[in-house]
Amino acid sequence: GENVEQHPSTLSVQEGDSAVIKCTYSDSASNYFPWYKQELGKRPQLIIDIRSNVGEKKDQRIAVTLNKTAKHFSLHITETQPEDSAVYFCAASDQGGKLIFGQGTELSVKP
Amino acid sequence: GAGVSQTPSNKVTEKGKYVELRCDPISGHTALYWYRQSLGQGPEFLIYFQGTGAADDSGLPNDRFFAVRPEGSVSTLKIQRTERGDSAVYLCASSRGSNTEAFFGQGTRLTVV
Repeated sequence: GENVEQHPSTLSVQEGDSAVIKCTYSDSASNYFPWYKQELGKRPQLIIDIRSNVGEKKDQRIAVTLNKTAKHFSLHITETQPEDSAVYFCAASDQGGKLIFGQGTELSVKP
Repeated sequence: GAGVSQTPSNKVTEKGKYVELRCDPISGHTALYWYRQSLGQGPEFLIYFQGTGAADDSGLPNDRFFAVRPEGSVSTLKIQRTERGDSAVYLCASSRGSNTEAFFGQGTRLTVV
C-alpha cells in the first residue's frame, strides 16, 4: 500500500524567510496530493492540493511542486508570518481514493 | 451548510468497555474517512466509505474495530473491548468524491482508563 514520508519533522524560520517541506510517496498510481495545516487543538484544514497532471500550483504565498518520476512533492511557503506556525501534513491518494498522510512538520515562525 | 460534525467531542471509558463514535458528514458527500491521530503524529488511516460500502478497511487495526454507514450519510465507528492503547483523537472527514478536498470534523478524543 501507499506510504508517505515527510521531512523535516520540525522547522524553525525567521519571519519573512521561506519554508520548504518535502514528502515522498511509494505508490506510482497515486494521483492526488493535498497539504493540510493543523493548529494546536484544531482540525486539519486544506491549504493547497495538486493533481498528477500538474507539476506546480501556486496560491499567493503558498506553492506546491510535484515530481512524478521521483515520486516526491514539496510545499513552499514564502514571506512566512507568525500565523503560519502550525503542523503541516502532506498526503497522497490513489485512484481508489484512500488518503494516506505523512507524519507532519511542526513549523515555527519566529517574529 | 454545516461542516463535518463528530460526537461526542470527548469520551472517557474504562478498559474493556464498548464505545461508539459518530460522524455526520457534509450533506451530499459520498466519501467518508475515519482516521486516528495520536499526539505528534499524522492522521492514521482506518477506513474509507464510498456511499454505504467500505471501499477500503485495510487500516482497521484488528477485529475490535468496526465501522458502518448504513444509509450513505452518518457513520459510526465501533470499538469493542477497548484497550488503553486505543486512546487517541478519532477524526472523521468527508468529501464529494475520491481525490477531492476532504473536510475534517473536530474529532473525538477517546481516553481509555
